[in-house]
Amino acid sequence: DAAVTQKPRYLIKMKGQEAEMKCIPEKGHTAVFWYQQKQSKELKFLIYFQNQQPLDQIDMVKERFSAVCPSSSLCSLGIRTCEAEDSALYLCSSSQPGGPNERLFFGHGTKLSVL
Amino acid sequence: GEQVEQLPSILRVQEGSSASINCSYEDSASNYFPWYKQEPGENPKLIIDIRSNMERKQIQELIVLLDKKAKRFSLHITDTQPGDSAMYFCAADTGANTGKLTFGHGTILRVHP
Repeated sequence: DAAVTQKPRYLIKMKGQEAEMKCIPEKGHTAVFWYQQKQSKELKFLIYFQNQQPLDQIDMVKERFSAVCPSSSLCSLGIRTCEAEDSALYLCSSSQPGGPNERLFFGHGTKLSVL
Repeated sequence: GEQVEQLPSILRVQEGSSASINCSYEDSASNYFPWYKQEPGENPKLIIDIRSNMERKQIQELIVLLDKKAKRFSLHITDTQPGDSAMYFCAADTGANTGKLTFGHGTILRVHP
């Protein structure tokens, strides 16, 4: 497994509260991805950063999430107003596209529970 | 965007037998196909992958096959063990060299002693 670090491991929020999750990509990786996984089902792509710039994101992220990757050493994914449907495992991964390390390895994830 | 179909959703096999999971994709530009194994409470872990310049790849008991013409790829686990019980996901890249993956819905594999 690659060294992608995510914090916190668990996050509990009330409906309407703000949530923030952090990701430290593997050193040297320029691409950062966030995926959402509900109840051990399929991984849903949320947003992709390349060299700190968001290059692709789904509508839900544009509307209700805030995501930044100001440096290649720390990225964050935030939910402005949590809803019950946001309860999920949020997985961060990083890679070096086109390079020798373009495989995606995931961090342990942040499990968000919205009550 | 890319769509990936994965079957079956649940697979039960006897220890020592083989297990096969099949995936299909739509975008002919996809050229990278990884497989992930996820155990309860854990993150998905990359177990094997194949690129479009190959048709077959084997790592120990894991075999992946790729049929680019049919846009299908598959994972075969030979001599299954109870430790192989987990959720398995196939994925395909977008073909744009971004590293972005589209995942299948997953297969729950149960290996019975």
